[in-house]
Amino acid sequence: QKEVEQNSGPLSVPEGAIASLNCTYSDRGSQSFFWYRQYSGKSPELIMSIYSNGDKEDGRFTAQLNKASQYVSLLIRDSQPSDSATYLCAVNPYTGGFKTIFGAGTRLFVKA
Amino acid sequence: EAQVTQNPRYLITVTGKKLTVTCSQNMNHEYMSWYRQDPGLGLRQIYYSMNVEVTDKGDVPEGYKVSRKEKRNFPLILESPSPNQTSLYFCASSPGGRSTDTQYFGPGTRLTVL
Repeated sequence: QKEVEQNSGPLSVPEGAIASLNCTYSDRGSQSFFWYRQYSGKSPELIMSIYSNGDKEDGRFTAQLNKASQYVSLLIRDSQPSDSATYLCAVNPYTGGFKTIFGAGTRLFVKA
Repeated sequence: EAQVTQNPRYLITVTGKKLTVTCSQNMNHEYMSWYRQDPGLGLRQIYYSMNVEVTDKGDVPEGYKVSRKEKRNFPLILESPSPNQTSLYFCASSPGGRSTDTQYFGPGTRLTVL
């Protein structure tokens, strides 16, 4: 069973701090990695995708991928109360397909 | 407006009564998928489709059927619903190309099976 694991949280950080969200995956052949944000009662929306080892930055968000350690993370700089949501890590186990495995998500609270 | 629509948004039904949840996208996307979301379990993929008449099982296909006769529509069929299929269901579409880059999700359908 291919798995994607996340700490369910909640993770609580003060406004302006860096929030660090982590995700591990079991299928070493995984090629594509995604972070989705889901507000309560809403549908998930894509924040970041990453395919190569290293860092990828987009505004206040940085995704980090380490395939050797089977680890992907999301950093949110200057956290805002509006960042309070559940963050879902998703992995595509192999290239060319549409099979996607999601982690259970980490709830983030940003305190004003 | 580019969107994925699902109907109905809320449904309460009884065990064994066949139902269909519709999903439609207006973005001419190649890929479509169905997920269920349960507390503590996250999103689990039920079925996906990479093109018209091409469907494949996700991680939890038991008790569900799908069809993709048109590019824009991907209905989810529960032939004989059971209480363990009570869940929040999401349809998603993706343009294709590099695997699942950017899945666009519908608003969700909350299903209760009594």
